[in-house]
Amino acid sequence: AQTVTQSQPEMSVQEAETVTLSCTYDTSESDYYLFWYKQPPSRQMILVIRQEAYKQQNATENRFSVNFQKAAKSFSLKISDSQLGDAAMYFCAYRRTQGGSEKLVFGKGTKLTVNP
Amino acid sequence: GAVVSQHPSRVICKSGTSVKIECRSLDFQATTMFWYRQFPKQSLMLMATSNEGSKATYEQGVEKDKFLINHASLTLSTLTVTSAHPEDSSFYICSARSPGRDTQYFGPGTRLTVL
Repeated sequence: AQTVTQSQPEMSVQEAETVTLSCTYDTSESDYYLFWYKQPPSRQMILVIRQEAYKQQNATENRFSVNFQKAAKSFSLKISDSQLGDAAMYFCAYRRTQGGSEKLVFGKGTKLTVNP
Repeated sequence: GAVVSQHPSRVICKSGTSVKIECRSLDFQATTMFWYRQFPKQSLMLMATSNEGSKATYEQGVEKDKFLINHASLTLSTLTVTSAHPEDSSFYICSARSPGRDTQYFGPGTRLTVL
């Protein structure tokens, strides 16, 4: 079974600085999707960024980028120029692409605090 | 695009009663919807996968007779918590995926409190 591990229960960053959140996963599949979701205090889950495993290029969305290392099964999220509104729980998630369940497998989350 | 709504956002009910939560995809058709439960300071736990026009697939350990799921249309799935008890109090979140999209979009969640 696939598993997703987020080894940092909590992280903090100064406003305008850069922070990297870690995520590793375990799978025997060769093609899959990886996601980072953000859950602010409102508890609305918001998609931050998505990576398809067959694409070597790291995904980028404005201030958010990933470092996808397929061989190492690592999928870290870098937040540049951190803003107060970035404070939230961040969940890394995995989804297989073919066959079987479409369900997302989530990590336990990392709580990000942004200090002014 | 890709907006998912949930109703109600909060509900308080007495023990023994049933509660229905609606999940709607507002601007796309969702052949597959998912229901999650989230305990405080924990990750999301998938309860079931709901496919339009067919029976839901429940995760191991989830009582299908207690958590009734209906996905009667391409834009609506409902979760009914039957004979609710205080231990059913939790935050319930739905998500939806449309054909051709590889991403799940989440509703804002429903906080259920059973007295």
